[in-house]
Amino acid sequence: SFDLTQPPSVSVSPGQTASITCSGDKLGTKYVSWYGQRPGQSPVLVIYEDIKRPSGIPERFSGSNSGNTATLTISGTQAMDEADYYCQAWTSNTFVFGTGTEVTV
Amino acid sequence: QVQLQESGPGLVRPSETLSLTCNVSGVSMSNRYWNWIRQPPGKGLEWIGQIYYNGGTNYNPSLKSRVTISADTSKNHLFLRLTSVIAADTALYYCATGEYNNYIDYWGQGTLITVSS
Repeated sequence: SFDLTQPPSVSVSPGQTASITCSGDKLGTKYVSWYGQRPGQSPVLVIYEDIKRPSGIPERFSGSNSGNTATLTISGTQAMDEADYYCQAWTSNTFVFGTGTEVTV
Repeated sequence: QVQLQESGPGLVRPSETLSLTCNVSGVSMSNRYWNWIRQPPGKGLEWIGQIYYNGGTNYNPSLKSRVTISADTSKNHLFLRLTSVIAADTALYYCATGEYNNYIDYWGQGTLITVSS
């Protein structure tokens, strides 16, 4: 099976940059999306197809994907960005979610 | 405004069949992929499967033998059927959709299903 591994937690000070990694075999050959989930809420799409931001998502969210690692970067992190973040890839006709990263601001 | 509203029994006995419905409003079911995703309490997201508006389906291999996803596009309803449930099927079940098969742009609020005798 295809696994996506994320660090369990990332801590960042307000105004600083948070980087969340997502690792998987040859991940750079697949499209990666990222979702943020605040406590008690449904996930929200923040990045799709590696680098694209949906309308309404702040420019401080950006993504990259190369080799075996995709990265979600939050620049100028705000308290409202505190949430769990999940990467996701589509492979062999299945959705695969990452293990999730808790971002603490 | 896109709204996805899941509904279900809340409590299901072990070995029984779980049936969920998602009522879709604010978006046409045509030309979209419709997914079921679940999240056990305090844990991560698990994809269950998806259906395209033309009826084509894809399932999580680990659940495929127990899952059926269907849709009634004329009534804007999505359905999930999970047989032979066990305690590990206890989770918040989400209905979700994407314009393409590789990401999701709208999620429902989820419905909590507990498997217990």
